[in-house]
Amino acid sequence: DGGITQSPKYLFRKEGQNVTLSCEQNLNHDAMYWYRQDPGQGLRLIYYSQIVNDFQKGDIAEGYSVSREKKESFPLTVTSAQKNPTAFYLCASSTSDTQYFGPGTRLTVL
Amino acid sequence: AQSVTQLGSHVSVSEGALVLLRCNYSSSVPPYLFWYVQYPNQGLQLLLKYTTGATLVKGINGFEAEFKKSETSFHLTKPSAHMSDAAEYFCAVSDPVGGSSGSARQLTFGSGTQLTVLP
Repeated sequence: DGGITQSPKYLFRKEGQNVTLSCEQNLNHDAMYWYRQDPGQGLRLIYYSQIVNDFQKGDIAEGYSVSREKKESFPLTVTSAQKNPTAFYLCASSTSDTQYFGPGTRLTVL
Repeated sequence: AQSVTQLGSHVSVSEGALVLLRCNYSSSVPPYLFWYVQYPNQGLQLLLKYTTGATLVKGINGFEAEFKKSETSFHLTKPSAHMSDAAEYFCAVSDPVGGSSGSARQLTFGSGTQLTVLP
């Protein structure tokens, strides 16, 4: 089955901790993305990557970091510098014109 | 800069009634337009898209949308609502990131419309 997987589905973090969210795709897509979703605000772009070993900041990159060592994987690290990390995080990958989304990870800071 | 406006954060319809969810956009280039649906605690599922060609596009689950350039609109409709249509719907517009020729396209989303279907 082709698709995008994200893990874990739920994640709890203590203040001051870094956490890493996983995103894997087997669709052979070159481009991958991370979005943050907050209630009533739609989705906002954190980082994107067009190709392995290259990535660019999106609209709200502060407090986040990514890597793209393999075409299939685009992990997101939420660092302690992110002041309000509690949110729903969505990963996507794309063909030339359409983005497809994973099931999401809900991060809660305790 | 692109922007997307979805009129009505909450829409309620009776089962069997027409569904109309409104979306207006602004874009400096010919847009690619999308509707996605999201069920609680799930990712976004593509309903339909307009890139080029026919302005009336049909999607999954009986939904369709019409691209009207003169009105900068891309409203989503379904003739007869079903209980399973209750979800949040997002309209989005995209263009190539940084004007690049790569495969990435940045999506700009509206703030979403929560659809409730009443029995």
